[in-house]
Amino acid sequence: KQEVTQIPAALSVPEGENLVLNCSFTDSAIYNLQWFRQDPGKGLTSLLLIQSSQREQTSGRLNASLDKSSGRSTLYIAASQPGDSATYLCAPRQGTYKYIFGTGTRLKVLA
Amino acid sequence: DAGVTQSPTHLIKTRGQQVTLRCSPKSGHDTVSWYQQALGQGPQFIFQYYEEEERQRGNFPDRFSGHQFPNYSSELNVNALLLGDSALYLCASSLASEQFFGPGTRLTVL
Repeated sequence: KQEVTQIPAALSVPEGENLVLNCSFTDSAIYNLQWFRQDPGKGLTSLLLIQSSQREQTSGRLNASLDKSSGRSTLYIAASQPGDSATYLCAPRQGTYKYIFGTGTRLKVLA
Repeated sequence: DAGVTQSPTHLIKTRGQQVTLRCSPKSGHDTVSWYQQALGQGPQFIFQYYEEEERQRGNFPDRFSGHQFPNYSSELNVNALLLGDSALYLCASSLASEQFFGPGTRLTVL
């Protein structure tokens, strides 16, 4: 059974810092992995999708890496801004049909 | 493109009642998945519909059922509501790999 852990559970940083959010999963047989952002009480916004054959993906200030064999993915956020405050969720795709989510990292960026 | 839409936004029910939640996928998407997200937790996979059939199911009881229509929109039905069913219900649509989520329906069971 796939289990997903995200560390840290919560993070509070001053504006401008570069951040590292970690995601680990127990079953390396994944199809791909997606990172999402969730604002309080809202739906999920897709940030980055990494296929199982890829090592990393970049979008603007975001960079996600994937080490499938060791069951790890990392989301890097460069030059953090108050607008980045949200919960960040990682979700490896198990088999071909379903995503398994971690409990997320709650990020607060202080102005 | 309107993206994934869900209705209603909020819903309050009492124990034992039945509820139907609705989802319209992103234009061109043929697959709809439903997730339940309890407060402070990550979303949990309920089931996925493709070509009007339930393709895979998570660890949820038969009280949770669904349907997909020819236009790819979908419904989630929950019977005999329990207090523990209170959660944010999220719908996601996809065509290939990437999933796109709707804003969710907040269900409160009293």
